[in-house]
Formats: sequence, C-alpha cells, structure tokens
Amino acid sequence: SAVISQKPSRDICQRGTSLTIQCQVDSQVTMMFWYRQQPGQSLTLIATANQGSEATYESGFVIDKFPISRPNLTFSTLTVSNMSPEDSSIYLCSVGTYWDQPQHFGDGTRLSIL
Amino acid sequence: RKEVEQDPGPFNVPEGATVAFNCTYSNSASQSFFWYRQDCRKEPKLLMSVYSSGNEDGRFTAQLNRASQYISLLIRDSKLSDSATYLCVVNLGGDSNYQLIWGAGTKLIIKP
Repeated sequence: SAVISQKPSRDICQRGTSLTIQCQVDSQVTMMFWYRQQPGQSLTLIATANQGSEATYESGFVIDKFPISRPNLTFSTLTVSNMSPEDSSIYLCSVGTYWDQPQHFGDGTRLSIL
Repeated sequence: RKEVEQDPGPFNVPEGATVAFNCTYSNSASQSFFWYRQDCRKEPKLLMSVYSSGNEDGRFTAQLNRASQYISLLIRDSKLSDSATYLCVVNLGGDSNYQLIWGAGTKLIIKP
C-alpha cells in the first residue's frame, strides 16, 4: 500500500492562530480524505480533498475553518484556522483507490491548543 | 440507532484465549466492511476487509451476516500484542457515494 507522510507529527499552538498540515503520498491516489479524532472518540470525516477543485465538506465542517488544498494526486494540505482549545485533536490524512477498497492512513498530527 | 454500533468494552481477556466481538450496522445497502486496529495515540491500520460472507487471516476471522446486519471479529490464541482498539467500518457503497462510516471501537486488553 501507499506510504503516507504527514507533517508536522505534533504541535502545540496558541489560540487564534492557524496551522497547516501536509499530507504527502508516494504514489498517485484517486481519493484523499481528512479526518479528526478527538480524545476517546472515533474518527470523524472532515472533508474529501478533490484534486483541482474545492473540497467536499461534511456536515459541521466549513471551508473557512478548515481550508483544504489538493494541487495534485500525491499531495494535500489541511489548515486549521483561528484555533481554539476545542480543536485539540488528532488530524489524520487517508487515501483510497476505489469505492469498495479500504483507506490507508498517515500517522497523524497531534494538535494541542493552549 | 447509530449507523455503526460497537460494544466499547473493554474486553479483558487472558493471553491465549479466544475473543469475539460484533459490530452492527443499520444500512442494509452497505457493500463492504473493514476491521481496523488502532493502538493508543496511533493511526488506524487495516486488519481485514470483508466483502462476502467472511474472511480469515491467521488467527483472525471476520464473518458477515447480512440478514442480521452485523459483522464479527474472532481472535484465536490471543497475544499481548493484540491489545488495541478495534474499529468496525462500513462502506455505504456505490460509485457516487464512497463514504466510510466508522464505529466508535471496541477496546481489547489481553492480560498475561
């Protein structure tokens, strides 16, 4: 399966600031996704990153708060904007090849907001 | 009713024992199913895919019961390293609807 690298692996940020998380894949992939996993919770899909067009956001997530870029088939970024302590979470990038295939994950970004 | 439900556990099991847990899903149109394991503060890793009645990989067996809308995961001869949270994932399916629904996970603790 593809090798998926996320940067940074962790960060501690001040409230009101923004952080951009990068996801790099070692091969071209059809689909890329961004998830959030809050402490003790399961994964929540934030959005599907679409190559060359605007991301598709899930209910409860908006572009102004979580802008996403996907300039090509191997790279995507997620920005967490105007952060508050409630944004403290693990953010995960995943990739998929076809609709009935499983997704594979990067090792996540652990974000703490002070 | 939640779309995907799992018993959160924890299941405390002695090493070497067999353990099984279920995952129920609400959408009868679900096409494919996956079990992931997630270690503490790590990313989920695919354990097994289930497309038909079931799948087996070494000590791990997954079974799908479409009539009752559940999938199960059986772990035989459990090892200490099997301690993790096991996430059940259901794909609602269809080319235009690639959406994975994640269960909240079942925590498994294998004791020496």
